[in-house]
Amino acid sequence: GDSVTQMEGPVTLSEEAFLTINCTYTATGYPSLFWYVQYPGEGLQLLLKATKADDKGSNKGFEATYRKETTSFHLEKGSVQVSDSAVYFCALSELNTGNQFYFGTGTSLTVIP
Amino acid sequence: DVKVTQSSRYLVKRTGEKVFLECVQDMDHENMFWYRQDPGLGLRLIYFSYDVKMKEKGDIPEGYSVSREKKERFSLILESASTNQTSMYLCASDSPGLAAGDTQYFGPGTRLTVL
Repeated sequence: GDSVTQMEGPVTLSEEAFLTINCTYTATGYPSLFWYVQYPGEGLQLLLKATKADDKGSNKGFEATYRKETTSFHLEKGSVQVSDSAVYFCALSELNTGNQFYFGTGTSLTVIP
Repeated sequence: DVKVTQSSRYLVKRTGEKVFLECVQDMDHENMFWYRQDPGLGLRLIYFSYDVKMKEKGDIPEGYSVSREKKERFSLILESASTNQTSMYLCASDSPGLAAGDTQYFGPGTRLTVL
């Protein structure tokens, strides 16, 4: 079945450091891939997405590239800010499973000044 | 702006109580979902509904039931709350899988504590 594996946290970085959060997936067909962000005390918000191989999703300085050959969708940001402190979830959905979503376990990021 | 609202942000109940969590969406979405979120386990699907009065079990339905009497409202019911149901509950909605990349929209969550 479909599944998502993302790197364990928590992750603590200094402001302006480079961020990578790894995500790999298993899917039977051609999934769409997503990163969601959850700020403290809030629900999940879509951060970025990619719907086919080699697509790059980007938003708020974050990027992730859909790599079919490595079944990965790693999240990166060149220079993190304190306001990026949140929990990040990788997810996939497939049309042939009725667009059911599969989420990773989440990675908590804390950015210190 | 799309919106999913949940009736309470924080809730404290006693073991054995019947608990209702309400979710309302204003996007005319057909599909609605209830997840619970626990540290180290991510989001786990409890129930979902793809139409009024329709419901489907997710991965962890035991101890829960749901009700969807109107398109915009989806309720999660804990018939007899237990301490292991202490968790963050997230409601989400979307349209049927019409296109790749359609996203789910989430409410702010209800943090339920069962004493």
